[in-house]
Amino acid sequence: GIQVEQSPPDLILQEGANSTLRCNFSDSVNNLQWFHQNPWGQLINLFYIPSGTKQNGRLSATTVATERYSLLYISSSQTTDSGVYFCAVDRGSTLGRLYFGRGTQLTVWP
Amino acid sequence: DAGITQSPRYKITETGRQVTLMCHQTWSHSYMFWYRQDLGHGLRLIYYSAAADITDKGEVPDGYVVSRSKTENFPLTLESATRSQTSVYFCASSSKQGVYHEQFFGPGTRLTVL
Repeated sequence: GIQVEQSPPDLILQEGANSTLRCNFSDSVNNLQWFHQNPWGQLINLFYIPSGTKQNGRLSATTVATERYSLLYISSSQTTDSGVYFCAVDRGSTLGRLYFGRGTQLTVWP
Repeated sequence: DAGITQSPRYKITETGRQVTLMCHQTWSHSYMFWYRQDLGHGLRLIYYSAAADITDKGEVPDGYVVSRSKTENFPLTLESATRSQTSVYFCASSSKQGVYHEQFFGPGTRLTVL
């Protein structure tokens, strides 16, 4: 299967700081999603971004498919941003199965 | 707007017992998936389904059985539970429209096998 590597594995920030999370993948993809797993365990869709740049409030994401990486930017972080951020990709299979990275654990302190 | 629901949310069972985890979605999505999440492994695909009566194995299917008689339901059965199946189980669904194929996840079921 396709390899998905996320960095850093852990990130600790003070409230108000900015951060960049990275996702590298080993093969060309047709689908890339970013998820936030909150402290209650729910997986929340952040971005569907196979290529290009998207923004949603304080969060934005960029995928450079030709170079096989994606970046998630969090600006002015808040304590509610804490949790695990996952990147997941699909090679374009008919079924759209996702391959997940191991995630970045983000902790934001007040 | 219920979306995708899972039941039960928490389950404790004993080794050797049969357990069924339920997944229901209200979007009429064609594709449904079961993943398990374990520390150190991230999320791994157990089974998936492209439509009613069409299912196939993912990365870690051993010890699990699925069925899909209706589009909206995708139950996962552990035929004889083992301690290694203690995990958090997530159901997901997606609809494919051209190349667009975004997945949405249920809230998860935390299963403990004693």
